[in-house]
Formats: sequence, structure tokens, C-alpha cells
Amino acid sequence: GDSVVQTEGQVLPSEGDSLIVNCSYETTQYPSLFWYVQYPGEGPQLHLKAMKANDKGRNKGFEAMYRKETTSFHLEKDSVQESDSAVYFCALIPNASGGSYIPTFGRGTSLIVHP
Amino acid sequence: DSGVTQTPKHLITATGQRVTLRCSPRSGDLSVYWYQQSLDQGLQFLIQYYNGEERAKGNILERFSAQQFPDLHSELNLSSLELGDSALYFCASSASGGSTGELFFGEGSRLTVL
Repeated sequence: GDSVVQTEGQVLPSEGDSLIVNCSYETTQYPSLFWYVQYPGEGPQLHLKAMKANDKGRNKGFEAMYRKETTSFHLEKDSVQESDSAVYFCALIPNASGGSYIPTFGRGTSLIVHP
Repeated sequence: DSGVTQTPKHLITATGQRVTLRCSPRSGDLSVYWYQQSLDQGLQFLIQYYNGEERAKGNILERFSAQQFPDLHSELNLSSLELGDSALYFCASSASGGSTGELFFGEGSRLTVL
């Protein structure tokens, strides 16, 4: 089945640090890739997406490049802010899914940015 | 505000009991998804409905069931509850079958089984 593996546990940068949260995926289908973000007390929400290989998703200074050759979709930011603190989920949807598009999520990475 | 409403927000009950979680999707969204979020398992897909019919099933236990009504709201029924069922249950909706990948999640229902 489909799977997504991402940086586990907590990531604890200081404000202004650069950030990389790793995400690797496995699927027999050609997927679309997503990062969702979950702020405290809220449900996850779409953060950025890339629908095909070599696309780059961007949002609020975050970027992720869809790399088919390495089956990866790492989330990066040059300079994190305290307001970026949240849980980030990498996800995939296989495009040839017979009409049922169910995201498979990674286990989540808790980003806690120190002032 | 995602436009998805879930009730109740918090629920405390005992083992062996049965509860019902309710979800109202965004206006116009035909698809409803249910996810379970626990600390060690992340977001686990349970079941999807599309316009009243079951579309896809994930790791949903036989003790759990769901349905989507003609007005498109959905209910998740959890019975013979066990301690391990304690989790945050999310409902999400999407406009079509979810082909764009954008699901709109509610704030969740936190279930505690004592």
C-alpha cells in the first residue's frame, strides 16, 4: 500500500534558523503530494501542494519540490518564525485511484520555534 | 474557520459504551471523510462517503460505523468502546471526490474512554 515517512517527533529551531522537514513516499501510482499544517486546537489545513514531478509548492515562505527520482517532498524554509510553530503532515494522493482520492498522511512533525 | 462543523468537541465516556459523533460538511461539499488521530499513529483514514454512499473504507473497526444523510451531514458511531479508542476524531469534506487533494477539516471531537 501507499506510505509516507517524514521526520519524526519534534523539530526545535530558533527563530531565524533554516528548516528542512524530510518526507519520502512510496506508492505504485503516480501521486500528487501535499503538506498539511495543524495549529493547536484546530484541524489540519492544506499548506502547499505539487501535482506532478518537478513542481514546487510554495506558501508563506515554505517550499517543497516534488522529486520523483528520489521519491521525496521535503519541506524547507530559509528563516522560521515563532508563528510557524505547528504540526506538519506530509501526504500523498495516488492519481490513478479509481475515483476515490484518499490522502495517506505521514505521522506528523511537531515544529516548535523558539524566540 | 474551515466551514466544517463537528459536535461534540469533547466527550468522556466509559468502556463498553456507545457514542455518536456528528459532522456537517462545508456548504456544497459532497464528500465526507472520517479520520482518527492518536499520538502514536498520526492521522488514520477510517471511511469516506460521497453524496450519501460509501466510497472508500480504511482501517475502520467493525465496532465503528458511519453514514451520510440526504442533507449530507454524517455521523460516526463508535460502539463497545475500549480504552484504546480514546483519540481525536476528525471529519473533513471536499467539493468533489477529493481529486484536488484539498480536504477541509473540522476542529475534531476529542473522545476519552475511561
